Amino acid sequence: QKEVEQDPGPLSVPEGAIVSLNCTYSNSAFQYFMWYRQYSRKGPELLMYTYSSGNKEDGRFTAQVDKSSKYISLFIRDSQPSDSATYLCAVGYSGGGADGLTFGKGTHLIIQP
Amino acid sequence: DTAVSQTPKYLVTQMGNDKSIKCEQNLGHDTMYWYKQDSKKFLKIMFSYNNKELIINETVPNRFSPKSPDKAHLNLHINSLELGDSAVYFCASSHPGGQGARYGNEQFFGPGTRLTVL
Repeated sequence: QKEVEQDPGPLSVPEGAIVSLNCTYSNSAFQYFMWYRQYSRKGPELLMYTYSSGNKEDGRFTAQVDKSSKYISLFIRDSQPSDSATYLCAVGYSGGGADGLTFGKGTHLIIQP
Repeated sequence: DTAVSQTPKYLVTQMGNDKSIKCEQNLGHDTMYWYKQDSKKFLKIMFSYNNKELIINETVPNRFSPKSPDKAHLNLHINSLELGDSAVYFCASSHPGGQGARYGNEQFFGPGTRLTVL
């Protein structure tokens, strides 16, 4: 079983729709959870960071973590064509030190104008 | 005012050659990383350095040798390149509460180096 599972898509939705992206992870030792956005031929850019179960909101983005079921989600409201990108979930063991992140394979999102 | 920069951006070379990729960050971070992203976009940690000391060395062939001359630089040297080494290599840096970080241990990524081995 892979440490982080993520549906690669592609996921295509019309502009203005609410987008739901999800990941599951297998190791309960993971303590912090991130979502990165990656445009084609660019480096990953951090969107959201959470370290506990519950919701965290930042503008049109909401990150949700359910540690009991090892499930993380990213919701995008009022989606825009500029949101079209690959979204990578990532998990880590601790909030400090030099831990590398474990990434999902990424979901390719397409927002149709 | 680039935060994490890498050179070169593209690298095309023949099998068997030796090549280096350079990374520099101007964020004042003391931890730097190398990640590899394969053709299926899967991003995987290779190495991490903290204050010029190697912390993580994942299962990577010993043909790959990272070197950190100072906290702001982390280079990756690859010997005897193979076809399977073709990928995009990303450098990243982090520091709890460091410049630009909204959260502890937020990792900032560079633009990537696209390596093609022929």
